[in-house]
Order: sequence, then C-alpha cells, then structure tokens
Amino acid sequence: QVQLVQSGAEVRKPGSSVKVSCKASGGPFSSHAVSWVRQAPGQGLEWMGGIIGMFGTTSYAQQFQGRLTITADEITSTAYMELSSLRSEDTAVYYCARGKYYYFSYVDVWGTGTRVTVSS
Amino acid sequence: DIQMTQSPSSLSVSVGDRVTITCRASQGISNSLAWYQQKPGTLPRLLIYAASTLQSGVPSRFSGSGSGTDFTLTISSLQPEDVATYYCQKYNSAPLTFGGGTKVEIK
Repeated sequence: QVQLVQSGAEVRKPGSSVKVSCKASGGPFSSHAVSWVRQAPGQGLEWMGGIIGMFGTTSYAQQFQGRLTITADEITSTAYMELSSLRSEDTAVYYCARGKYYYFSYVDVWGTGTRVTVSS
Repeated sequence: DIQMTQSPSSLSVSVGDRVTITCRASQGISNSLAWYQQKPGTLPRLLIYAASTLQSGVPSRFSGSGSGTDFTLTISSLQPEDVATYYCQKYNSAPLTFGGGTKVEIK
C-alpha cells in the first residue's frame, strides 16, 4: 500500500518561501504523476501544479506561474513543492497527490498534508 | 483554461433522499472527470473516475454520469455517513481543475 508522507507544519513570514516534501513508500513513484493541491481554511480544493516524474515535465496553474516550483527526486522517491513570495492568502493545508498513471490523471493516493501558515 | 462549475454549493436533505450534484465544464472534457468526497478534517476520497466508474470499495448508492461538458453525481439514498463536501475534478489535461465543491448536510 503506497503512502505519501509529507514534511511537518511550517510558519513563514510574508515575502518568504516554503518548501514542502512528499516521500513515497510502499510502491512505485516514478511511474505516477504527482500533483500538489492546497486547501485554505474553510475553502475548497485548488490544484496548484504537478510533475510527470518519468519525463521531469511540470505544469503549473496560471495563478501560481512564476512563484511555484515542483521537483522530484526519483532516487529518494520524494517530490517537492516550493512556493515563493508568500502572502497571507497562501495560508492553507498543502497536499501532494499521486495520480493513477504516469500522465496527469485522477488522484488515487493523497499525502498526509502540510499546514503552512503565513503570518507576520 | 477550462473552468469547472458545481451546483448547488450546498444542500440540506433528509436521510433516504436522493441527492444530485451537477458539475459543468466550460469546454468538453470527454469523460475525464472524477468525483471526490471529503469529510471534515479528513483527506479527500476518490468516489468515481472516468465520469461513471465506481472506485473499489465505494458503496453502490453512489453513481456518476455524463460526458462532454455536463456531469452528475447521484447518491440514491442519502445515509448519515454521506455528510461531506463533494468535489469534481477534470483530468483530460493540465490544469486539473476542481469544482468549487458541494456541501451535503442532513436536514
């Protein structure tokens, strides 16, 4: 059974950056695309972007272009999400999410979630 | 980018009622649509993929239909454990946009 274990909660000041990790265990990693999804307090799910590990191809939602970087390390089966120029509206729980296939598809495994708080 | 619009945003129904949630894509997405259930404080759970295929372990009272731009999630007889927020998601191509969610409560 594949598990995606994310790094712990973070507190950041406005204007800074945060990097969240997502380590896969118990199953294949590179043969599945990984997305990052966030959920602000009391709000819905928002797809931020993702990576097709097999090819190293990334795709980002328009609203995050320029300040979001998603990477993956096949050796350690770990994906990373780095968000820069943080503002208070970025306060949310961030999830990594494994797609069913190597290309972008529906999510069959969710990460444990990482709470990021942006506050001065 | 393709927008995903869910309706209603919330509904209050009685146990045993039939529940219908709609998801509309601003452009055709074939059948590349998934539905998720999220209970408070928990991770989203995949219910349906390919618009109408029930994920293993999901009760048969859940069903999905549609293709192109209009999709529906139906709960044939609402149970107390179905209280949750439901989201649709397109996955034909990036961005994999989610709908805004539909919160289902018991009347």
